[in-house]
Amino acid sequence: KAGVTQTPRYLIKTRGQQVTLSCSPISGHRSVSWYQQTPGQGLQFLFEYFSETQRNKGNFPGRFSGRQFSNSRSEMNVSTLELGDSALYLCASRRDEELFFGSGTQLSVL
Amino acid sequence: GENVEQHPSTLSVQEGDSAVIKCTYSDSASNYFPWYKQELGKGPQLIIDIRSNVGEKKDQRIAVTLNKTAKHFSLHITETQPEDSAVYFCAASKGGFQKLVFGTGTRLLVSP
Repeated sequence: KAGVTQTPRYLIKTRGQQVTLSCSPISGHRSVSWYQQTPGQGLQFLFEYFSETQRNKGNFPGRFSGRQFSNSRSEMNVSTLELGDSALYLCASRRDEELFFGSGTQLSVL
Repeated sequence: GENVEQHPSTLSVQEGDSAVIKCTYSDSASNYFPWYKQELGKGPQLIIDIRSNVGEKKDQRIAVTLNKTAKHFSLHITETQPEDSAVYFCAASKGGFQKLVFGTGTRLLVSP
């Protein structure tokens, strides 16, 4: 069974640009969560989608948004990028209470 | 909201020694406490979890303990091996489909 797939693996953007990250969950999993990982801050929860609806939301500004499609694939968008948005963005699909993480998208904002 | 603190941030041990990582949580309503291991270049992976109705759980060389009164839970790794070297995260949630709140991580280095 294929794991969680995130694309692209690496991304370099400049301040002010926007970016879209993609996540394909494990087949049959309907929940997708997004986390931001930075050194010293650990894993910060962004949001979770279930059956195309946002079920939980973290404390990030409105520049961070997401959506989920009918096939459970999810996208995350960050608009007006700031230097502080440089991080590893992890997506996870969920079975019961267990999260299955992808390898992440490493975003660098210059 | 829930806040999870994790210590230490880095831990170096010799192969064969034991390692202990400690976490505290703030929300007494939390009842699910998983531990995730993240190897270099990979996403975190669940290694063990415990619920609030259990005080201790073991799985081979790893064990987790929970003190609900003190709101503490700990990960114990015995007979450490170089392949145990990774970043370990504790987390807490209220169970069900509530979000998982993670600690800041512990980088464990096991030297041969």
